[in-house]
Amino acid sequence: GQQVMQIPQYQHVQEGEDFTTYCNSSTTLSNIQWYKQRPGGHPVFLIQLVKSGEVKKQKRLTFQFGEAKKNSSLHITATQTTDVGTYFCAGRSTNAGKSTFGDGTTLTVKP
Amino acid sequence: NAGVTQTPKFQVLKTGQSMTLQCAQDMNHEYMSWYRQDPGMGLRLIHYSVGAGITDQGEVPNGYNVSRSTTEDFPLRLLSAAPSQTSVYFCASSYSPYDLDGYTFGSGTRLTVV
Repeated sequence: GQQVMQIPQYQHVQEGEDFTTYCNSSTTLSNIQWYKQRPGGHPVFLIQLVKSGEVKKQKRLTFQFGEAKKNSSLHITATQTTDVGTYFCAGRSTNAGKSTFGDGTTLTVKP
Repeated sequence: NAGVTQTPKFQVLKTGQSMTLQCAQDMNHEYMSWYRQDPGMGLRLIHYSVGAGITDQGEVPNGYNVSRSTTEDFPLRLLSAAPSQTSVYFCASSYSPYDLDGYTFGSGTRLTVV
């Protein structure tokens, strides 16, 4: 079945440093979504990418969808303590009725 | 507009007991799903529904049953609880599996089976 791999599993950064998490799929995706889960909370939808090579920005967050639509990345510029949490990607293969979640990258930020 | 409401928030069960986790949404979403989240293992899909009367299995359906008699409600039943079912359970919904607005998650039920 479809597999979505996410790396790294954990990332510890100093406040102000950049952060990137990567998502790789074993199959071509029709779309990919990104979610953020704060400690003790529930996943919250951030964005969806649909087009090959698509790049979207939300303030300090930049999301990219690979040209082959098999990988994606989330980049945070100048991390803040409010960025702590686990970031999940969720990819849906063509003809699939549901998305498959990666295992997430947990970000900790040291002030 | 409450979104996705899950009850209870916390539950302790003894091995062999059964219970139902409730999930209700007031957004008229057709698609609803249940996930379990274990440490370091992300979100694994248990069951999902694309509309009232229609349900299907996800990655880890064993030990769980669902039904969808109305658009609003999607309860998850544990038939005979086992310690391996200790987890955090999330219900999620969207207009469709292809929804550009993504899934809306409930706040979760933290279940411990002893």
